[in-house]
Amino acid sequence: QITLKESGPTLVKPTQTLTLTCNFSGFSFRTSGVAVGWIRQPPGKALEWLALIYWDDDKRYSPSLKSRLTISKDTFKNEVVLSMTNMDPVDTATYYCVHKPYNDISNLFDPWGQGTLVTVSS
Amino acid sequence: NFLLTQPHAVSESPGKTVTISCTRSSGNIASNYVQWYQQRPGSSPTTVIYEDNRRPAGVPDRFSGSVDRFSNSASLTISGLKTEDEADYFCQSYDTDNPGVFGGGTKLTVL
Repeated sequence: QITLKESGPTLVKPTQTLTLTCNFSGFSFRTSGVAVGWIRQPPGKALEWLALIYWDDDKRYSPSLKSRLTISKDTFKNEVVLSMTNMDPVDTATYYCVHKPYNDISNLFDPWGQGTLVTVSS
Repeated sequence: NFLLTQPHAVSESPGKTVTISCTRSSGNIASNYVQWYQQRPGSSPTTVIYEDNRRPAGVPDRFSGSVDRFSNSASLTISGLKTEDEADYFCQSYDTDNPGVFGGGTKLTVL
């Protein structure tokens, strides 16, 4: 069974850098093709894909947020970290960690973590 | 880049059938697979359809997906509606630059 769990601050101030950690179990970055990503959802709004990191350390970023995002992984700790700089109140959202299966051919994200709500406010 | 447009909300009675559309703004809808996710209030999204029309294990066959090249849209159809189907539904596709393009979501009310 695959599980993912997000952790990090629930409140950040404007201009600060947000760092979120995703700890997962049930799969490994040692498996060719697997990836882990981040998706966010402002309260009452739509989903927005942010970043993705593959087993071979290939990284993809949302074109609109690329300059603010950094994603990294620790294969041994089964961990993925997302950093987002220069946080703004519009970045208030629930941030989800997601698994992309090794044999996926459709950019399917399954399963999702429980999500962590991050509020940006002074 | 492209957009995926969904109706904001739909409603239907228990036992009936409802279809939610997802229209791609540019490019061919059939060029890239479409996924559908269900999000119940207070929960994380879960997959109900992937690769246009495939159901994950555990998803009832009341859920089906299709793609129409002429309207450049994907559709999620739920038959035999149950109150437990009440949720937000999001479509998702991708292109070479963006693995995750999501629709705006459709709120399904079963009343």
